[in-house]
Amino acid sequence: DAKTTQPPSMDCAEGRAANLPCNHSTISGNEYVYWYRQIHSQGPQYIIHGLKNNETNEMASLIITEDRKSSTLILPHATLRDTAVYYCIVRVPDSGGYQKVTFGTGTKLQVIP
Amino acid sequence: DAGITQSPRHKVTETGTPVTLRCHQTENHRYMYWYRQDPGHGLRLIHYSYGVKDTDKGEVSDGYSVSRSKTEDFLLTLESATSSQTSVYFCAISESGHTYEQYFGPGTRLTVT
Repeated sequence: DAKTTQPPSMDCAEGRAANLPCNHSTISGNEYVYWYRQIHSQGPQYIIHGLKNNETNEMASLIITEDRKSSTLILPHATLRDTAVYYCIVRVPDSGGYQKVTFGTGTKLQVIP
Repeated sequence: DAGITQSPRHKVTETGTPVTLRCHQTENHRYMYWYRQDPGHGLRLIHYSYGVKDTDKGEVSDGYSVSRSKTEDFLLTLESATSSQTSVYFCAISESGHTYEQYFGPGTRLTVT
């Protein structure tokens, strides 16, 4: 699995867009980029994933650079409830018989009123 | 939110007693997983299931057993609880074993005294 690098912490003003970067310079051609978050005392929450095209869902947008060596998760209008640790993970989705979700250190996003 | 519930949400038990945690899903997903989360260790997979009566071990399965008699329920049993099993336990589900897209329950905080 490709290694990912994320800033340890970020602040974002409430109502503004939160842009969370992730570097994955050793990503291989069949590896996807996944994002999860974990709000304090809650279970991890899947956010979004993508291979090479930009993706958007009701929670966020994922922008992957053309060379796929980095990506940005965008929360378009951050709220206080988005305060959490955000994890960027690079994985091949169909390797092995099952997948176990594992997190690195992630980015602690603090949304400020 | 995916329909996943865990019970109990909190439990305190004594060393040596058996404990059963329940995960219930309403999504009809084939795969179900039990994880534990501890400071300094992150998420670790205990057991998973790929169908009714089909289960397999994860990376930290010693001292734990599981059963899945219905699609919607996945039980985790600590046969004789030890203090090292004090942890937060999360259940997760996914439609297939190939995807890294998993949906987590709210967690059960277990304390073994």
